[in-house]
Amino acid sequence: AQKITQTQPGMFVQEKEAVTLDCTYDTSDPSYGLFWYKQPSSGEMIFLIYQGSYDQQNATEGRYSLNFQKARKSANLVISASQLGDSAMYFCAMREDHPTGSARQLTFGSGTQLTVLP
Amino acid sequence: EAQVTQNPRYLITVTGKKLTVTCSQNMNHEYMSWYRQDPGLGLRQIYYSMNVEVTDKGDVPEGYKVSRKEKRNFPLILESPSPNQTSLYFCASSLSDGNEKLFFGSGTQLSVL
Repeated sequence: AQKITQTQPGMFVQEKEAVTLDCTYDTSDPSYGLFWYKQPSSGEMIFLIYQGSYDQQNATEGRYSLNFQKARKSANLVISASQLGDSAMYFCAMREDHPTGSARQLTFGSGTQLTVLP
Repeated sequence: EAQVTQNPRYLITVTGKKLTVTCSQNMNHEYMSWYRQDPGLGLRQIYYSMNVEVTDKGDVPEGYKVSRKEKRNFPLILESPSPNQTSLYFCASSLSDGNEKLFFGSGTQLSVL
């Protein structure tokens, strides 16, 4: 079963508008971490934001915020005031603290390609 | 500057010719791992290492080898590359395997003809 699901292969947003990138996850581990990474066309992976499963408040980092809904197992990324430089592939990832059968690793979704329109 | 250095950036080779992709980090991180990225599949873990001389398989280890003789280096070895190993490869490291962010190298685009 997919542990991380990103259902939007591609998204478009107008410059200066906000956009939400969806991410749902599947785990029975009560302790886990959720991450978002950005991959621009140059290929590098850039860390954006982290949310721990026990964190009471949604994480924020500048224009990025993570809409964490634990009961729904969703961890959507919200980008406010989109800029042209936000055009990139975005990956959601999860790390379980007590995985079955293996050490902890970061499991990635398939990604969402975001295009910001001028 | 804290970084993960991968080499080469691009590599074209032929089936069966052994190759090594190097990875080095200067942050004294204990945890290192290798991922491959394929369209529509995201990143999948190949191998990881919790510390020197401690390595283990990830989700897609077939056809790959790794070694961790020193803390800073974690090379990926393809003994007999095949076309289905054509992919974008990333090395990554973190302080431990806990919930700290992974630092990624700049990637290696490998084509096996």
